[in-house]
Amino acid sequence: AQKITQTQPGMFVQEKEAVTLDCTYDTSDPSYGLFWYKQPSSGEMIFLIYQGSYDQQNATEGRYSLNFQKARKSANLVISASQLGDSAMYFCAIEMDTGRRALTFGSGTRLQVQP
Amino acid sequence: DARVTQTPRHKVTEMGQEVTMRCQPILGHNTVFWYRQTMMQGLELLAYFRNRAPLDDSGMPKDRFSAEMPDATLATLKIQPSEPRDSAVYFCASGLVVDRYNEKLFFGSGTQLSVL
Repeated sequence: AQKITQTQPGMFVQEKEAVTLDCTYDTSDPSYGLFWYKQPSSGEMIFLIYQGSYDQQNATEGRYSLNFQKARKSANLVISASQLGDSAMYFCAIEMDTGRRALTFGSGTRLQVQP
Repeated sequence: DARVTQTPRHKVTEMGQEVTMRCQPILGHNTVFWYRQTMMQGLELLAYFRNRAPLDDSGMPKDRFSAEMPDATLATLKIQPSEPRDSAVYFCASGLVVDRYNEKLFFGSGTQLSVL
């Protein structure tokens, strides 16, 4: 069974600093995709970044980068130069190539950016 | 900007009443997903469709929930009869393939359901 674990229920970071949000997964599937979504207090789910299991390079999208360590089964999200607007819940998710082709989400990490 | 549209945004109803939530996926997306979010369970997959055909609804209580796609522009999630434990935020998402294996989901704003 696939599983996504986010061990940090809450994180604080100072504005303009970088922060890493942890995500580990458990799958025996050879091909899969890893996603990060942001959920601000307004409630919508916003796609941030995607990493395919066969991708050789770590994904980057603006201030977001994904530290993908396949052997350790981790896919940590790094946010550089934090902004007040980054305060939100962040969810890691996995999609496998076989079986249920839908995202399975972790429990989320609440990030608060302090001025 | 193309977006997934969900209606209603908020719904308050009494136990036993029927609730219907609607979703308009992004034009061109061929997968539609229904998720439920609660504090206790987080985000749970209820059902999903590909090319309007239901692929997986194993996460859905079959006795009271039903999901359909009458056409490519409309997906519905119905609860009959509703119960207080159904209170949650229900998200619809439609999918865009990003590579051979995976697709990126675009979420609607959700329907906040409260069953009294």
